[in-house]
Amino acid sequence: QSALTQPASVSGSPGQSITISCTGTSSDVGSYNLVSWYQQHPGKAPKLIIYEGSQRPSGVSNRFSGSKSGNTASLTISGLQAEDEADYYCCSYAGETLYVMFGGGTKLTVL
Amino acid sequence: EVQLVQSGPELKKPGESLRISCKGSGYSFPNYWIGWVRQKPGKGLEYMGIIWPGDSGTRYSPSFQGQVNMSVDKSISTAYLQWSRLKASDTATYFCVRKYINGWNFDYWGPGTLVIVSS
Repeated sequence: QSALTQPASVSGSPGQSITISCTGTSSDVGSYNLVSWYQQHPGKAPKLIIYEGSQRPSGVSNRFSGSKSGNTASLTISGLQAEDEADYYCCSYAGETLYVMFGGGTKLTVL
Repeated sequence: EVQLVQSGPELKKPGESLRISCKGSGYSFPNYWIGWVRQKPGKGLEYMGIIWPGDSGTRYSPSFQGQVNMSVDKSISTAYLQWSRLKASDTATYFCVRKYINGWNFDYWGPGTLVIVSS
């Protein structure tokens, strides 16, 4: 089974907005409203920033937002800050055999 | 405060066995699935599986079924990940994760246990 498809890298300047896409199939992203996004700084554990497609856990900045259209989910970060520079992973439920699929990860560089 | 405290780094030889641990605190351990995510050096995240502390029921990824064994001791709020014969390709950081009570996301992560398998 292949991982969900994410761009390898994206970049943006402070204050700008960026969007990271996560493309799956009708068996995972397209079938369930169960996409989550994780932020991972170097040498650290990942942190949940979006769940169920567009929900933010308590304490996560409202600069982070999630959406989905068909088989593609998206993470948008507005008002980019230097601290947003990290790797970002999408994740989707994929049914009662595979259970969970992660994307390959996207490295965000804040210029 | 929810915490997942993992055991320390391991350096093992191919063919050796290993068990790493993850102790949960700050929440009702029996009432949440707990699981493992692998990250090979410089690579992405891979779901390995989750286990229910109540009855030790499991949900393995097909990629890891038969390759590792998950177990749990709810009396001490600790989950385990075990290998009977390590391979060099098992070299990775292994994160312990708590599955959110509803849905399929992981709301708390341990700091990770680095496992190096080298002759």
